[in-house]
Amino acid sequence: DGGITQSPKYLFRKEGQNVTLSCEQNLNHDAMYWYRQDPGQGLRLIYYSQIVNDFQKGDIAEGYSVSREKKESFPLTVTSAQKNPTAFYLCASKEDRGREAFFGQGTRLTVV
Amino acid sequence: AQSVSQHNHHVILSEAASLELGCNYSYGGTVNLFWYVQYPGQHLQLLLKYFSGDPLVKGIKGFEAEFIKSKFSFNLRKPSVQWSDTAEYFCATQNQGAQKLVFGQGTRLTINP
Repeated sequence: DGGITQSPKYLFRKEGQNVTLSCEQNLNHDAMYWYRQDPGQGLRLIYYSQIVNDFQKGDIAEGYSVSREKKESFPLTVTSAQKNPTAFYLCASKEDRGREAFFGQGTRLTVV
Repeated sequence: AQSVSQHNHHVILSEAASLELGCNYSYGGTVNLFWYVQYPGQHLQLLLKYFSGDPLVKGIKGFEAEFIKSKFSFNLRKPSVQWSDTAEYFCATQNQGAQKLVFGQGTRLTINP
C-alpha cells in the first residue's frame, strides 16, 4: 500500500531539546517537502528536497534542519533554536514537476 | 517572491448555497495551480489542479475552479454546498520548471445544515 508515513503522530518535547520527526514514502517520488501548519497561517514551507543529497530552505527554515540521504526518507529536526516549535508538521512528496503533492497524516509537536 | 493569498479566512454558509473562495498568486510567470481540502481529522487531499489548457477545471465532489491569468486568480466554486463540505481549503501554486510548492493561508468553510 503506497503512501507517506509520518511518525510519531503526537510528540512532546521539553524546551531546549532537539527532536526529529520522521517522514518516509514508498511512492518513489523525487521531491519531498516539510510544512508547518498553524491556525490562520495555512501551510508554510520549511524545507524541500528535489533529489537525494540536495535540499533547499523554504520560507521559515530558521531553527530547523533536514537531511536527504535516501530517496524515501526526509527527516526534519526541530532544534532548540526554533523559538515557537509547537505546531502541526506535514510532510509531502511529489512525483515530478507536473504532478500534485501527496501528504502524510502529520505530526503534532508540543513543547512542554 | 512567490506567494498565495486567500482572502476569506472563515466562510459560513447554509446547505444548498453557492460557494466561491478566492485565491490570488503573485508570480508572473507560468504556474501550476492547486486546491487542496482538509476535512476534520484527515490529511490534505487534492480537489483539483490546473497545469495548462482549458482554464475552467473540474475536480472531485462537484468543485470547479477558473484560472484567470490577467487577474492572477484561481477561485474555487461549487454551485450547491453540502454539510459534508465543511473543511479547510487551501490554494497552492508552483512555478513551472521548479519544485517549490507554496500554499495560501487557508479558508475554513462551515456549512450549517
